[in-house]
Amino acid sequence: AQSVTQPDIHITVSEGASLELRCNYSYGATPYLFWYVQSPGQGLQLLLKYFSGDTLVQGIKGFEAEFKRSQSSFNLRKPSVHWSDAAEYFCAVGGTGFQKLVFGTGTRLLVSP
Amino acid sequence: EAQVTQNPRYLITVTGKKLTVTCSQNMNHEYMSWYRQDPGLGLRQIYYSMNVEVTDKGDVPEGYKVSRKEKRNFPLILESPSPNQTSLYFCASSKKGPANSYNEQFFGPGTRLTVL
Repeated sequence: AQSVTQPDIHITVSEGASLELRCNYSYGATPYLFWYVQSPGQGLQLLLKYFSGDTLVQGIKGFEAEFKRSQSSFNLRKPSVHWSDAAEYFCAVGGTGFQKLVFGTGTRLLVSP
Repeated sequence: EAQVTQNPRYLITVTGKKLTVTCSQNMNHEYMSWYRQDPGLGLRQIYYSMNVEVTDKGDVPEGYKVSRKEKRNFPLILESPSPNQTSLYFCASSKKGPANSYNEQFFGPGTRLTVL
């Protein structure tokens, strides 16, 4: 069965520091990978997605993610975090043959001054 | 504007009182889904629909019903809500593509339901 693991429940980063959020997936075929962000009391916003091609994907708000098939990972990165990045981040996997996204449990990002 | 809308956005109700959360999309998408979001669990699929009159269970269907009488609408029905259905609910839609393809899902703004 498909699954997504986000090993960090909470992460605290200083404003201006770099960020990496981890995501590992389990899926038998070519995965379609997504990162979503949810600000407090808000809905889901798509940050970026990987369908095929270049394994380094650029997204909105200065985020990027790298697909590593050998490690079954799709980690999210940002070189310099802003206070407005404080939110919950979800990694998700989709695939042909099933019409749903399987989500990780989320990582809550706290940004300290 | 292409969008998925949900109503109501917030709802407080009592145990056993039937309710419906509506979902509508204006993108002519074939696929629609309902998810619930709970702390520490992420989002889990409740039901999905491949097209009009075609629905199937997702991972957590107990206590829910759906219908798909029109392509644009996919209401979620709680016949007898219980407190464990207190959650944040998201509707999503996507276009049907060729076999062996995947199309991005578009999410609604969410409905926060509290069952007392």
